[in-house]
Amino acid sequence: DAGVIQSPRHEVTEMGQEVTLRCKPISGHNSLFWYRQTMMRGLELLIYFNNNVPIDDSGMPEDRFSAKMPNASFSTLKIQPSEPRDSAVYFCASSLPGIDEQYFGPGTRLTVT
Amino acid sequence: TQLLEQSPQFLSIQEGENLTVYCNSSSVFSSLQWYRQEPGEGPVLLVTVVTGGEVKKLKRLTFQFGDARKDSSLHITAAQPGDTGLYLCAGGGGADGLTFGKGTHLIIQP
Repeated sequence: DAGVIQSPRHEVTEMGQEVTLRCKPISGHNSLFWYRQTMMRGLELLIYFNNNVPIDDSGMPEDRFSAKMPNASFSTLKIQPSEPRDSAVYFCASSLPGIDEQYFGPGTRLTVT
Repeated sequence: TQLLEQSPQFLSIQEGENLTVYCNSSSVFSSLQWYRQEPGEGPVLLVTVVTGGEVKKLKRLTFQFGDARKDSSLHITAAQPGDTGLYLCAGGGGADGLTFGKGTHLIIQP
């Protein structure tokens, strides 16, 4: 089975541009999580969905960040406008119903110049 | 907010040595998980501990959950270069999502 798929793997953009990160969870997993990882702050939970519904977005840093999950097999994380401090690796993870273990994608390394 | 503190932050040892890394919190967790992350990849689950005092072994890796379910340790016996990576502990999960520690960067030198 394919694992969690993320695209793009690398994104370099200029400050002020819109960035869209994409994630396809493992089939059958009903929970999806977006994380951001930096050396300074480690792995931070941004938002997560259960059955396509956003449950907790308290980790989203500010209004420039938004996430959607239009169906069970696709989610996006959008940053508009992007800023240099958004540079990080963004991970998507999914899990089965009622199970704590999460399966991570390979991440998107975002660089905002 | 439940916080997990991991120590040491960095550890570099020679192949064949033993080591222990720690994950501590002031909060009680229903379960704790250990992940390993290699450069350019996402974290991969190693083990989940659920019961206070539980010990789980995965080849040369031994994981222990504290009696009060507030802390955990990972002990590696006879470390090998392939053990190199970032070791993350995480607590919670389910309806509340996971809280991750900042991890221990482990380097095993041949």
